[in-house]
Amino acid sequence: KAGVTQTPRYLIKTRGQQVTLSCSPISGHRSVSWYQQTPGQGLQFLFEYFSETQRNKGNFPGRFSGRQFSNSRSEMNVSTLELGDSALYLCASSVDAQETQYFGPGTRLLVL
Amino acid sequence: EDKVVQSPLSLVVHEGDTVTLNCSYEVTNFRSLLWYKQEKKAPTFLFMLTSSGIEKKSGRLSSILDKKELFSILNITATQTGDSAIYLCAVEAAGAGSYQLTFGKGTKLSVIP
Repeated sequence: KAGVTQTPRYLIKTRGQQVTLSCSPISGHRSVSWYQQTPGQGLQFLFEYFSETQRNKGNFPGRFSGRQFSNSRSEMNVSTLELGDSALYLCASSVDAQETQYFGPGTRLLVL
Repeated sequence: EDKVVQSPLSLVVHEGDTVTLNCSYEVTNFRSLLWYKQEKKAPTFLFMLTSSGIEKKSGRLSSILDKKELFSILNITATQTGDSAIYLCAVEAAGAGSYQLTFGKGTKLSVIP
């Protein structure tokens, strides 16, 4: 079974731009969660989607948004990028909320 | 606010040593505690613990949860250089129809030959 895939793997943007990251979950998984990982803050929860609905959201500003499609693929968008948004963005999928999450390889975003 | 604290933050041991990593937590509506190993890429799942006192084991790794004292330990025996990684502890808390994972900052383990 293929694992969680994320595209692109690396991205360089400048301040003020916007970015869209994509995550394809493991086949059969309907829950997709997004995390931001930085050296200073560690892993922080962004939001979780299930059946195209956002069920839970972490403490991030409204510049961070996401969506999920009917095939469970998910996208995360960050608008008006700031230097502090430079991080590894991880996506994880699971069958449902009660099941173990499996992580993708991440998208490393650098904001200049 | 949910909180997960791991200790120590970093650890250097020699091959063959046994190590114990600690994770304490304060969460509302605890569901489970998870351990992940992170090398140079995304975290990989190690254990999920939901019940107190039941040890989970996988090869040289084992873990146990104490829901009364709100902590978990991860033991690695006969360490190898391939065990060098950041070990992350995360706690799953149930919300209304959903859940949220809160991660600790991790313990960086370095195993030297």
